[in-house]
Amino acid sequence: QVQLVQSGAEVKKPGASVKVSCKASGFSFSSSVMHWVRQAPGQRLEWMGWINTGNGNTKYSQKFQGRVTITREATASTAYMELSGLRSEDTAVYYCVRQDSDCSGGSCYYYMDVWGNGTTVTVSS
Amino acid sequence: DIQMTQSPSSLSASVGDRVTIICRASQSINSYLNWYQQKPGEAPKLLIYAASSLQGGVPSRFSGSGSGTDFTLTISSLQPEDFATYYCQQSYGTPLTFGGGTKVEVK
Repeated sequence: QVQLVQSGAEVKKPGASVKVSCKASGFSFSSSVMHWVRQAPGQRLEWMGWINTGNGNTKYSQKFQGRVTITREATASTAYMELSGLRSEDTAVYYCVRQDSDCSGGSCYYYMDVWGNGTTVTVSS
Repeated sequence: DIQMTQSPSSLSASVGDRVTIICRASQSINSYLNWYQQKPGEAPKLLIYAASSLQGGVPSRFSGSGSGTDFTLTISSLQPEDFATYYCQQSYGTPLTFGGGTKVEVK
């Protein structure tokens, strides 16, 4: 079945980097757009960026520009999100998410239809 | 950035109640609006996309409406499994943004 399985929880010190993986199965990974969304404790969901797994093009939220890098390894059907310069405010659950679309009505509507299991990243000294 | 504001932030309801959640965008987003349900300790689940299209497998008691800046998610008859937090999200432009959530609790 369609599934995104993420790497396990991480504990990092301030200033460190973290790299989270997301392995896809059950669909054509190499022709997808994959997003990364995070959720700090008690906070709303926050979009970080996306990658076109076919050509490797990326788009990042300005908030994370310069600190986040999203990559993919097509042969392994895996996407990665690396966040550097970690601070306590980066403590959150990080999700990878598949984008799907509906272009049947003339306009294309994009939505996030398959979510990974989440990776908890804790930043603490 | 497009700001998404949901109301109420929480509500108490009983099984069988009709529940309505409102989402407002800071500018027109046409119908580029999605709704998600999230239960504690779980990832969000897509319910509605393009403001009113029901995602496959989602019960028909969920419906969405609206366009422009004002949107509504309605649960026609609340079921025990519907107690959760609901988020709206705009897909009109980047950065993609989410509402602050509406927690539906047991009355």
